[in-house]
Amino acid sequence: AQSVAQPEDQVNVAEGNPLTVKCTYSVSGNPYLFWYVQYPNRGLQFLLKYITGDNLVKGSYGFEAEFNKSQTSFHLKKPSALVSDSALYFCAVREYSGAGSYQLTFGKGTKLSVIP
Amino acid sequence: EAQVTQNPRYLITVTGKKLTVTCSQNMNHEYMSWYRQDPGLGLRQIYYSMNVEVTDKGDVPEGYKVSRKEKRNFPLILESPSPNQTSLYFCASSPTPGQTYEQYFGPGTRLTVT
Repeated sequence: AQSVAQPEDQVNVAEGNPLTVKCTYSVSGNPYLFWYVQYPNRGLQFLLKYITGDNLVKGSYGFEAEFNKSQTSFHLKKPSALVSDSALYFCAVREYSGAGSYQLTFGKGTKLSVIP
Repeated sequence: EAQVTQNPRYLITVTGKKLTVTCSQNMNHEYMSWYRQDPGLGLRQIYYSMNVEVTDKGDVPEGYKVSRKEKRNFPLILESPSPNQTSLYFCASSPTPGQTYEQYFGPGTRLTVT
């Protein structure tokens, strides 16, 4: 069975500093990995995904993520944090679940707080 | 505007009173899904649908029902709600279940069962 771990419930970073939100995964086949962001009182918004190819994936709002197969990680990064980046971030992995269907498994989420 | 809509956004009800949360998407997506979000547990899938008249259980289907009679709509039905179903519910859709598309989420429905 697939799983996703986000080891930090909360990450605090000062505005202008680089940020990293960690994610590790466990799947039996090739991983298809996603990051979503949830702002207060809103639904989840897609940030970026890794399917294949370059290990560094660039996404929305200046975010990027680095896929590391040997460490089974897919950490979300941004070179310079903004106060408006404060939100809840979810890592997710998609895996084939049989009979032509796919399931998306989410991590528990990491709350990012960017301090002015 | 391409979007997933849910109604109602907020609902307070009593134990045992049947309710339906509607979900509709205007993107002609084949795949639709329901999740619940609880603190410390992330998002857990309740049911999903690969296409019209095709539905299947997710990780936490107990106490819920769904139907997919039209491509755009995927209502979530709680026949006899209980307090442990108090949660934040999200509907999502994506173009094709077998492809590597991201999912589009609705704004959420906050349900309280007393």
